[in-house]
Amino acid sequence: QKEVEQNSGPLSVPEGAIASLNCTYSDRVSQSFFWYRQYSGKSPELIMSIYSNGDKEDGRFTAQLNKASQYVSLLIRDSQPSDSATYLCAVGYTGGFKTIFGAGTRLFVKA
Amino acid sequence: DAGVIQSPRHEVTEMGQEVTLRCKLISGHNSLFWYRQTMMRGLELLIYFNNNVPIDDSGMPEDRFSAKMPNASFSTLKIQPSEPRDSAVYFCATQLAGGPESYNEQFFGPGTRLTVL
Repeated sequence: QKEVEQNSGPLSVPEGAIASLNCTYSDRVSQSFFWYRQYSGKSPELIMSIYSNGDKEDGRFTAQLNKASQYVSLLIRDSQPSDSATYLCAVGYTGGFKTIFGAGTRLFVKA
Repeated sequence: DAGVIQSPRHEVTEMGQEVTLRCKLISGHNSLFWYRQTMMRGLELLIYFNNNVPIDDSGMPEDRFSAKMPNASFSTLKIQPSEPRDSAVYFCATQLAGGPESYNEQFFGPGTRLTVL
């Protein structure tokens, strides 16, 4: 069983819509949760971090964490074509080192 | 402050040759991670260091792969001899570990695209 699972997509949404990206993880000890965005041919870029249950908003991005369900999601409001990328979910341990990455979900935002 | 620096950005070599990839950490960061990314296998963690000490090298695929961190700001990943199946993008990432939660955030370098013919 993979430690961090994501739907590989592609997820296609029209411009202006809400894109919803989901991720589940297997280790209940996990305490740090991240979303990275990776454009084609580029390196992963950290866009959101979340550490406690609930929602965290940053501009058009909202990360949601439910530790009981071992589920973390990323909502992108008012999606733009420039949001088209692969989104990687990552899970880590407070004070630790290793971060486990999911395989990523490809998002296409159609103009 | 400069971000993570990797060199070379592109490397094309022939099977059997030695390849050395280089990474310079963000100033003040104390942990260094080497990843490999391919379409088939996604992002794979190869090895990571904390305070110059290798912590976990279980992701290193074979003895042909080796990594060093001779000082707090620099690391190398060497493949000898290289094989076509080593073709991938190799990223290094750094973080300031061992502190509050925010220090688990990793910052990636631009990557080295390796092609072994």
